[in-house]
Amino acid sequence: AQKVTQAQTEISVVEKEDVTLDCVYETRDTTYYLFWYKQPPSGELVFLIRRNSFDEQNEISGRYSWNFQKSTSSFNFTITASQVVDSAVYFCALSTGANSKLTFGKGITLSVRP
Amino acid sequence: DSGVTQTPKHLITATGQRVTLRCSPRSGDLSVYWYQQSLDQGLQFLIQYYNGEERAKGNILERFSAQQFPDLHSELNLSSLELGDSALYFCASSVEWGISGNTIYFGEGSWLTVV
Repeated sequence: AQKVTQAQTEISVVEKEDVTLDCVYETRDTTYYLFWYKQPPSGELVFLIRRNSFDEQNEISGRYSWNFQKSTSSFNFTITASQVVDSAVYFCALSTGANSKLTFGKGITLSVRP
Repeated sequence: DSGVTQTPKHLITATGQRVTLRCSPRSGDLSVYWYQQSLDQGLQFLIQYYNGEERAKGNILERFSAQQFPDLHSELNLSSLELGDSALYFCASSVEWGISGNTIYFGEGSWLTVV
């Protein structure tokens, strides 16, 4: 069975601080995909990134970066120089096997204060 | 804008009633998913359709049903509604089915409140 754990429930930072959101996953499959989604206060779920289990390269996209470590089954997300607009709930998700469905973590509520 | 369209955005209804949520997938996407987001259960996968056929089922109650039509839009029917069915219902779509790793794009959700 698949499982995604986001141990942090709420994080509050001041604007311009760096913040890291943790994600730990469990699966017995050797091929799997990891995702991050953002849910702003308006409610929609916005796709941020997809990473497959064979690609452990870290990725950077502007102020966002992702650190994938198979050894610790973690896929952490860092926001550099956070901004108020980054305030949202962030979900980590996993898909495995011959099915695209996503297993989500419980989400991390990030509040960025001016 | 993800390209996935859901209607209605908000819905308030009474216990025991039936509602239908509608979803149009992104242009070119053949697979449609329904997810439920509630405070206590988080984001839960309900059901998936691909090109009109059911492909995967999750934690969907028997009171709920869905279908995908030939034009690829999908409807989620919720009947005999209970207070606990109040949630945000997401539709999502992807190009394919059966391949782990499809990027799934979500709509803005339909907020259902049962009173």
